[in-house]
Amino acid sequence: DQQVKQNSPSLSVQEGRISILNCDYTNSMFDYFLWYKKYPAEGPTFLISISSIKDKNEDGRFTVFLNKSAKHLSLHIVPSQPGDSAVYFCAAIYSGGYQKVTFGIGTKLQVIP
Amino acid sequence: EAGVAQSPRYKIIEKRQSVAFWCNPISGHATLYWYQQILGQGPKLLIQFQNNGVVDDSQLPKDRFSAERLKGVDSTLKIQPAKLEDSAVYLCASSLAPGQNSPLHFGNGTRLTVT
Repeated sequence: DQQVKQNSPSLSVQEGRISILNCDYTNSMFDYFLWYKKYPAEGPTFLISISSIKDKNEDGRFTVFLNKSAKHLSLHIVPSQPGDSAVYFCAAIYSGGYQKVTFGIGTKLQVIP
Repeated sequence: EAGVAQSPRYKIIEKRQSVAFWCNPISGHATLYWYQQILGQGPKLLIQFQNNGVVDDSQLPKDRFSAERLKGVDSTLKIQPAKLEDSAVYLCASSLAPGQNSPLHFGNGTRLTVT
C-alpha cells in the first residue's frame, strides 16, 4: 500500500526554467512533509519541509506547497540549475506513534543546460 | 560534523549466504534507522532504534533479518540466509530525535547483490 505517491518517474527541464515535482498522499494522519534529494551513489539529503498547518514554505530557490484538501504537495525549483539534476523523494510523517518517515518512490529530475 | 558512516559500500553474495552491514551514526543522534531501497522504489523502513531500544520493526522480515544497536551508538544489520529479492541498497540514517524537528541524515548506503 503506497501511502506516498510520486506518479512521475522522471522530469526534464531546461536550465533557468521552473521545475515542478508532485506528490500525493493517502493517509490523512500525515501532518509533516519533507523533500529529500539524492545523487547517484549517495544517500538522500534533506532539502525542505512543511508542516500541515502551513500551505507554503520557501527556502531560496525551493518552495513547497501543500494542499491538504487534495492531499497533494509540490516542490518548485526556480530557476532550475544543472546541479539540481537528481532523484527527489517526497516523504511524510505522522507525529503520533513512532513518527515513522514514509517515502515515495522518487522522481528523477534532469536539468538540461 | 562527520556524517553517517556505513560499510561496506558494496557486497556480492550467493543466495543462502549471510551478510552483515555496519553503521556509525552522527555523534549525539539518539535515533537510528535502517532502510531498504530496492531499485526503482523509495526507501522502506526496516527498523528504527531510539537509543538502544527498538521502537518500530514492523517491516523487518524477522525470519532472516536481525539488527542490533549496542550501547546506543553503532548498529549492525544482518541477513541470514539471503534471498535473491534482498538485492537492494541498505541505507542507515540517524536523527537527533524522531519526528518533524529532526530531519534524517543518511549514509551513502551498502549496495547488496544476491546471486
